[in-house]
Amino acid sequence: QSALTQPPSASGSPGQSVTISCTGTNSDVGGYNYVSWYQQHPGKAPKLMIYEVNKRPSGVPDRFSGSKSGNTASLTVSGLQAEDEADYYCSSYEGSNIIYVFGSGTKVTVL
Amino acid sequence: EVQLVESGGGLVQPGGSLRLSCAASGFTFSSYWMTWLRQAPGKGLEWVANIKQHGSETYYVGSVKGRFTISRDDAKNSLYLQMNSLRVEDTAVYYCARHIGWAFDMWGRGTMVTVSS
Repeated sequence: QSALTQPPSASGSPGQSVTISCTGTNSDVGGYNYVSWYQQHPGKAPKLMIYEVNKRPSGVPDRFSGSKSGNTASLTVSGLQAEDEADYYCSSYEGSNIIYVFGSGTKVTVL
Repeated sequence: EVQLVESGGGLVQPGGSLRLSCAASGFTFSSYWMTWLRQAPGKGLEWVANIKQHGSETYYVGSVKGRFTISRDDAKNSLYLQMNSLRVEDTAVYYCARHIGWAFDMWGRGTMVTVSS
């Protein structure tokens, strides 16, 4: 059982937006602005898309955005493109045990 | 080119040991926290352990404490994971990754560890 809760799937048509939620506790998501999001295509290593809730690494399109409210973080992909079809994982620093926790992943399908 | 390359995976019996290596290139390895993560077949990501610059601090997920040891050799730009008392549930692709703050901005391709009799 993963520490963070994500929906198993999400979908949208090309050009539409999709938002993925990531729910934790006061010890992780709610307690720190250290939420990150990763994209993983089949058979590939994960790729960092968002860090510290809403910061984008260089090279990540601005179609990807992050936010947080209380114990729930969200990743929004705007203007969906075929290449956005992948698994997305959220992660957070968990201060009580000085560890990092992940969500179970959300499979995004572009219809 | 900035790169991380893992090696050392393979098939091992339950109770056995394995040492994973991660060779870094293209950046100043000694300046970064480094981490190991894993992904069991068909499952999600799991953080395993990390190590501060110069090896001054290390942290582990509870399920591997006392069995796994993370270390680094800055002179060789290398990260290691010594895995002892391996269990079937340790079967996974193991990734090394570089920290950017409290996230992981560069990942290797991974090395497969299979624990089975």
